[in-house]
Parts: sequence; C-alpha cells; structure tokens
Amino acid sequence: AQSVTQLDSHVSVSEGTPVLLRCNYSSSYSPSLFWYVQHPNKGLQLLLKYTSAATLVKGINGFEAEFKKSETSFHLTKPSAHMSDAAEYFCVVSDLGSARQLTFGSGTQLTVLP
Amino acid sequence: DTEVTQTPKHLVMGMTNKKSLKCEQHMGHRAMYWYKQKAKKPPELMFVYSYEKLSINESVPSRFSPECPNSSLLNLHLHALQPEDSALYLCASSQVYRGKQYFGPGTRLTVT
Repeated sequence: AQSVTQLDSHVSVSEGTPVLLRCNYSSSYSPSLFWYVQHPNKGLQLLLKYTSAATLVKGINGFEAEFKKSETSFHLTKPSAHMSDAAEYFCVVSDLGSARQLTFGSGTQLTVLP
Repeated sequence: DTEVTQTPKHLVMGMTNKKSLKCEQHMGHRAMYWYKQKAKKPPELMFVYSYEKLSINESVPSRFSPECPNSSLLNLHLHALQPEDSALYLCASSQVYRGKQYFGPGTRLTVT
C-alpha cells in the first residue's frame, strides 16, 4: 500500500527567503513521486516528477526536490520565495502496486509575506 | 497543446436538475480521470477511463454517471445531486494508464 504524509499543513515565509515543504512517503514498490501546485480556484499544475532517474529533481519556477530513499522523503525546496508562490502544494505518490493511480498528501498551504 | 479544458467553469444546480460537465484534451492521451475536491482537501479519485473504457469506479454514487464518447472527450452527467456534492470537479488525462497526469482548471459546482 502507498501513502503520503505532508508534515506541515501551513508554511509561512518572507519573500526572498528559502522555502521548504516536507513530504514523507510509504510505498511497497519503487514509487513515482510528484509535487503539484494549486493556486486558488485553479486546477493542479505539475511542478516536478521523480521516477528513479536522478535523486535531485528540478522543476518549474525554481523548485526542486530530493528523493531520499533511506529517509523515505521527497521534500520540496526553493532558494528564494516569490509572492506568486503562495498556493496549496500537494505531494503525490504512485506505485505499480496500486490501482488507484495517485495517492495525494493532505496538502501544505504556503503563505509568502511581503 | 498540453491543455485540458473543462466546461463550464461554474455551475449552480438544484437537486432535481440534470446537468453535465465536459472535459476535453487533444494531446492524444488514452487515459482520463474525474476527481472531486472539497475545500482545503486533496482531490479524490472518482473514475478512470482507459482507452475509452471505464476501468476504475471508486464507489461513486449512481447520481454521477461518467461517459467517454471518444478518446478526447470525457463527460460527467449529474442527476439528483445533494448539497454535499458541491465541490470542485477536476478532470485529468495521461498518455497511458498510470502516466503523468495533466489537470484541467476544474468546474466549481454548487448544489442548492
């Protein structure tokens, strides 16, 4: 069975400071891992995807995530937050053992303060 | 074209109405999905179509009826909904079953 835990429901940072959104996962197989972002009243946009090629994955808008198998973590980072980064972020896991396609974390609301 | 479109953007309907949500993609994807998302919650999978055949129904009530008329189009027919069905309904598609999913902007449904 697969599961995802997003460790913070809310994260608040100042503009220009680093962002860290934490995600731990559980998977019976080699998982694919994703981060999606959702701005208010919008659909989900894929930020980045890990599929066992490189452990450090670079995504759009300056975001990146590092897959750490020993820690079963896939934390999302960005060196410098921008006001437009304020949104809901979902960590998502998919593995071959699940017919349910994607398992979503509960989400992290990122607030960026001026 | 990497876009999934959904119409309408907003829909208000009474509990006795019949309405439909539409989703379209022209990326040649052969898997399409319906999700329901309540406020401040992650999306919940409702249905999966693979090669125009329903492959997953996550025990969704029969007042929701999906239809996949062709490989580009996915409909969700609504009938006799309840106020608790008010939510954002998201459509997604992927190249194949289990592939990377692209989401549409959603339809905001309000049941009165």
